[in-house]
Amino acid sequence: GAVVSQHPSWVICKSGTSVKIECRSLDFQATTMFWYRQFPKQSLMLMATSNEGSKATYEQGVEKDKFLINHASLTLSTLTVTSAHPEDSSFYICSAGRVGPYEQYFGPGTRLTVT
Amino acid sequence: AQTVTQSQPEMSVQEAETVTLSCTYDTSESDYYLFWYKQPPSRQMILVIRQEAYKQQNATENRFSVNFQKAAKSFSLKISDSQLGDAAMYFCAYRSAERNTGTASKLTFGTGTRLQVTL
Repeated sequence: GAVVSQHPSWVICKSGTSVKIECRSLDFQATTMFWYRQFPKQSLMLMATSNEGSKATYEQGVEKDKFLINHASLTLSTLTVTSAHPEDSSFYICSAGRVGPYEQYFGPGTRLTVT
Repeated sequence: AQTVTQSQPEMSVQEAETVTLSCTYDTSESDYYLFWYKQPPSRQMILVIRQEAYKQQNATENRFSVNFQKAAKSFSLKISDSQLGDAAMYFCAYRSAERNTGTASKLTFGTGTRLQVTL
């Protein structure tokens, strides 16, 4: 299967600062990338869907000004958590997808801790 | 909107035995895809098996097979000859078939079933 990388795998930041998470599709061109948030022992919650060169589509209840998504190319999407607060601490996962009966390929996730 | 329900928060199986994880979904669509993903303690999501709704034949992947009942909107996963490495969180997921949108459709996940494998 395709490989999706995420960087960093773990980040600690201070309250009020911003942090950027990168998601790269290493060996295929993804039409669409997805960003999820996962709390301990819970399911994945979709935050937003993005296509290359287009504005991201955010799920209801997700603050688009807080979670900035940029999808600069078919292989790179970034999630920036702006003015982070402790309640933003979570596990963030990206995935890459394409049209058709294919699975989404998931990155290994990024653990964000805001102190 | 589509929903996916996994009614078993936790399941346990002995090594070498067989276990079935349940999943039901609700949709008004006729064309869609269904998936089972596994999330081990590393938290890396791994595809276990997929099923296309228009295919009547149940998908199989080695020790993993599904029982897809389209009319009942049921999509259970059977794991045969369970191994210690099968211990993980299992998520059932639904995805609509795209209609010339150029955008891959999103996954809707169930709440997951934690599978324990005992000796």
